Amino acid sequence: DGGITQSPKYLFRKEGQNVTLSCEQNLNHDAMYWYRQDPGQGLRLIYYSQIVNDFQKGDIAEGYSVSREKKESFPLTVTSAQKNPTAFYLCASSGRGQGASGNTIYFGEGSWLTVV
Amino acid sequence: GESVGLHLPTLSVQEGDNSIINCAYSNSASDYFIWYKQESGKGPQFIIDIRSNMDKRQGQRVTVLLNKTVKHLSLQIAATQPGDSAVYFCAPDSGNTPLVFGKGTRLSVIA
Repeated sequence: DGGITQSPKYLFRKEGQNVTLSCEQNLNHDAMYWYRQDPGQGLRLIYYSQIVNDFQKGDIAEGYSVSREKKESFPLTVTSAQKNPTAFYLCASSGRGQGASGNTIYFGEGSWLTVV
Repeated sequence: GESVGLHLPTLSVQEGDNSIINCAYSNSASDYFIWYKQESGKGPQFIIDIRSNMDKRQGQRVTVLLNKTVKHLSLQIAATQPGDSAVYFCAPDSGNTPLVFGKGTRLSVIA
């Protein structure tokens, strides 16, 4: 089935460690995104990439890094510089799908990151 | 820039009743308006969208109404069921930038 796969579903990080969240899509979408969601809050954009080997900062990029070496993959690294990383992280891609617009965003199931 | 607001952050509805979730937007250049449903602990799922040249679109138990004059849209859910309990987001799509999502409205269905 076509979709967006995030892993791991749950991740625990010790303070001072970097961790990487994986995101893979087989929808043949050009654009991919990372959002952060805190409990009871909306979605905040961390980074996005509209094409391979290119990406742009979103609203809350500080303390995060990404790469886009392949069309299918857009991993997010949460660095030790991110002081409050505990949150729900959502990867997404946009393109043709259920929606009429080629800009419709489709989400993965999310990854929970907790600092211990 | 884009701003998206929601009139009611929480909505409690009796099972079987109709639900109406409202959304205001500011960018009149949006081509589409998309509704998402996010169940607890999951990623948002696409529900339905409406093009800017329409004022109404119906899906299965859902209807979207668009009023461009006042920059307002609503999602109506008929015969609300417990499985409809979720957070609902609207997102105007201008086609050029990542979608901007509102904070969302939490719908709670009372059995």
